[in-house]
This record gives sequence, structure tokens and C-alpha cells, in this order.
Amino acid sequence: QKEVEQDPGPLSVPEGAIVSLNCTYSNSAFQYFMWYRQYSRKGPELLMYTYSSGNKEDGRFTAQVDKSSKYISLFIRDSQPSDSATYLCAMIAYSSASKIIFGSGTRLSIRP
Amino acid sequence: EAGVAQSPRYKIIEKRQSVAFWCNPISGHATLYWYQQILGQGPKLLIQFQNNGVVDDSQLPKDRFSAERLKGVDSTLKIQPAKLEDSAVYLCASSSRTGPDTQYFGPGTRLTVL
Repeated sequence: QKEVEQDPGPLSVPEGAIVSLNCTYSNSAFQYFMWYRQYSRKGPELLMYTYSSGNKEDGRFTAQVDKSSKYISLFIRDSQPSDSATYLCAMIAYSSASKIIFGSGTRLSIRP
Repeated sequence: EAGVAQSPRYKIIEKRQSVAFWCNPISGHATLYWYQQILGQGPKLLIQFQNNGVVDDSQLPKDRFSAERLKGVDSTLKIQPAKLEDSAVYLCASSSRTGPDTQYFGPGTRLTVL
């Protein structure tokens, strides 16, 4: 079983829709939960991160963490064609400082 | 501030050949990482340097992969000999401190092994 599971998609939605991206994980030691965006032929860039459980909002993006269910989500409101990319969830265990464990990524396409 | 630089951007080689990738981190970043990203998968850490010392190389296939970071700045990752399954994007990242929001990634080198 992989430590982090993520539906690879692809996911295609019309412009303006609300997008929901999700990951599950098995390692209860994970404390930091991140979302990265990766455009084609580019490196990943950090969108946002949360520590432990709860919600965090940044503009059109909201990250949610439910540690009891080992489930994290990223919501994108008012989706734009420029949001078309692969979204990677990622996690760090408290004990491992900066070692990041990535999900496999979900390919998202926003149709104009 | 200039980002993480990598070269070459693309490389095609035959299996059993050797290949080397170069990374120049963001100025002042003491920590440097090499990741392997196979198509359809997330990046997997191969090796982490703190200055010119190795912090973690537990997932580096040491029989064929090697990496060095001379003088604690630039780094090279070498594969010798390459196998078909080494086809992937090799990403370099750097950071100035530990934490979830500190790694900056380069654009990667796309390796195809025929």
C-alpha cells in the first residue's frame, strides 16, 4: 500500500466550476500537508500548506485536512483555464524534517 | 531572485550509456535535493545534501546512480549505466531552511532511455 494515494484523473470541468481534489494517506505520523501545482514541463510549485487538521483559505483555493479520516482535500473556486495543471498532494512527517512524500498527482483541465 | 537552474533540459540516450545532469540552486540555499519523477507519478527523493554533505540517500540506487555537490553549491547527478526504467524527469530543488514551504524546484531534465 502506498503511503499517499491520489486519483490520477484526468479531471475535466467547465470554467467557473468548483473543483475538488483529494488524497488519502496511511502514515499517521504526517503532520504537514501540502498542495503543489505542476504545469507541463515545469517543476512543482507550492500552492499552500496546512499543519495538522483544519482548513486554510488562500484566494480561490481552500485546503482541508481531516486527520481522523486520513483524508485531505483542495478546493478551487471559480476555476480558470490557467488552473489547468497537475495537482500533487504532499506530506511531511514531523520526525523527518523536510522529506516530502508526494502523491501521484491529478491532471486537471478547465474547459473555457 | 533567480530560480533553480538545471541542464540539459532534455536528454536521449541508449541503455547502458552514461548520463550526467547539472543543477545550480538558488543562491545561498544550503540544502539541495534530487528527485526522480516517473511519468504519472509524484517526485521521489533520491538524495539530499546539506552544504556538501549527504543527509539522506536511502532511495538512491547506488549501484548505478551517484551524486556530488562540490563546494556546497552546484551539484551533478550521474547514471552509469542507464536502464530503460530510468526514463523520467530528474528534478532538482533547493531550500535555505527546513520546513514544508521551503523547497523550490527547477524545471527538471527529461531523460529518455532507448
